[in-house]
Amino acid sequence: GAVVSQHPSWVICKSGTSVKIECRSLDFQATTMFWYRQFPKQSLMLMATSNEGSKATYEQGVEKDKFLINHASLTLSTLTVTSAHPEDSSFYICSARGQLSRGNTIYFGEGSWLTVV
Amino acid sequence: QKEVEQDPGPLSVPEGAIVSLNCTYSNSAFQYFMWYRQYSRKGPELLMYTYSSGNKEDGRFTAQVDKSSKYISLFIRDSQPSDSATYLCAMGGGYQKVTFGTGTKLQVIP
Repeated sequence: GAVVSQHPSWVICKSGTSVKIECRSLDFQATTMFWYRQFPKQSLMLMATSNEGSKATYEQGVEKDKFLINHASLTLSTLTVTSAHPEDSSFYICSARGQLSRGNTIYFGEGSWLTVV
Repeated sequence: QKEVEQDPGPLSVPEGAIVSLNCTYSNSAFQYFMWYRQYSRKGPELLMYTYSSGNKEDGRFTAQVDKSSKYISLFIRDSQPSDSATYLCAMGGGYQKVTFGTGTKLQVIP
């Protein structure tokens, strides 16, 4: 079964509003979570690395003020897309690094489809 | 040169065929290797995880790692239409960022 849960699976919002996506590790503590964006027929693009209790590390070209990441606990990270625009419409996927017992394996959430209208 | 190279395909095979998916890499610091399967409009699903050179088998899937050649493979035996998906290789070392291949789209034709 899934070990990383992502919610919501899909969301439609109006341009200018903000949307929050949650990523939870279900049966393990994840000190590190990752947020990706994927456009149709393209590979995963890492947006940022989320570390519990500290600021996220953003990849080059990703606006940290637009994509707010909070990793408040060892099982939850959130991505908030602020002042969303139609070009922000995409598939957003989170992942979590497993504990050493899981061999540093990366587990993915089911993804969240965001459509901005 | 990209750190991880993966043929994007698409790769079309008849049902029952043996499928070979491959990735090459340039960073000798990579220590662990993963294969993911991603169906359309879904998040990637972990298929195989390996930490050393050699083969690892799980059902119809076999992951192979050759660190000396910096080459990894995923073999799918008796391929099924349900195996049609995009397959992503991924690799990392220690607590470094995991690097993904671009994915190979596989289509198994009944």
